[in-house]
Amino acid sequence: GAVVSQHPSRVICKSGTSVKIECRSLDFQATTMFWYRQFPKQSLMLMATSNEGSKATYEQGVEKDKFLINHASLTLSTLTVTSAHPEDSSFYICSASQGQGAYGYTFGSGTRLTVV
Amino acid sequence: EDQVTQSPEALRLQEGESSSLNCSYTVSGLRGLFWYRQDPGKGPEFLFTLYSAGEEKEKERLKATLTKKESFLHITAPKPEDSATYLCAGDNTDKLIFGTGTRLQVFP
Repeated sequence: GAVVSQHPSRVICKSGTSVKIECRSLDFQATTMFWYRQFPKQSLMLMATSNEGSKATYEQGVEKDKFLINHASLTLSTLTVTSAHPEDSSFYICSASQGQGAYGYTFGSGTRLTVV
Repeated sequence: EDQVTQSPEALRLQEGESSSLNCSYTVSGLRGLFWYRQDPGKGPEFLFTLYSAGEEKEKERLKATLTKKESFLHITAPKPEDSATYLCAGDNTDKLIFGTGTRLQVFP
């Protein structure tokens, strides 16, 4: 079945630094990838949608200069949290649209970001 | 505005005690209704996709059904390992609209 790998699973960084999270589709080409944020005991909040080779589309209220998304290939998307602050601490999850005639969305295992 | 609402927020069941989780949706141009299971600290794990009213799908102790306004996830004779958060999401062709989930705890 479709597998999405997300790395790292946990990261702790100092306030003011930047952190990059990778999302890879291992056995399929993902034309579209999605980035979500999840607070404790809450549901997934979509941050942005990225299509391979084009700029990401951000949801209302999400700072595109703070959350940089790159989708340079059909199997890799990255989310960079720039100048991180403690309020950016959260659980970040990516998902990939299977595309190529297969309908569905596969999720990564998530990244727990803690900014100290 | 597209919206997905799940109830109850939390559910505690004794092992073997069957129950149902509800997902009410208002999603324009619904392409599919998804159910996922999420364990703490993990990403959502796919369970089912339903496409049209009247459709039903089963997997082990779980059965998902769909009407024009709601979806139900029926859990028959649950076991402790079924404890998780169950998420429902509607696809409006642009993105998935998630509900807030139902946290299920099954006690032995």
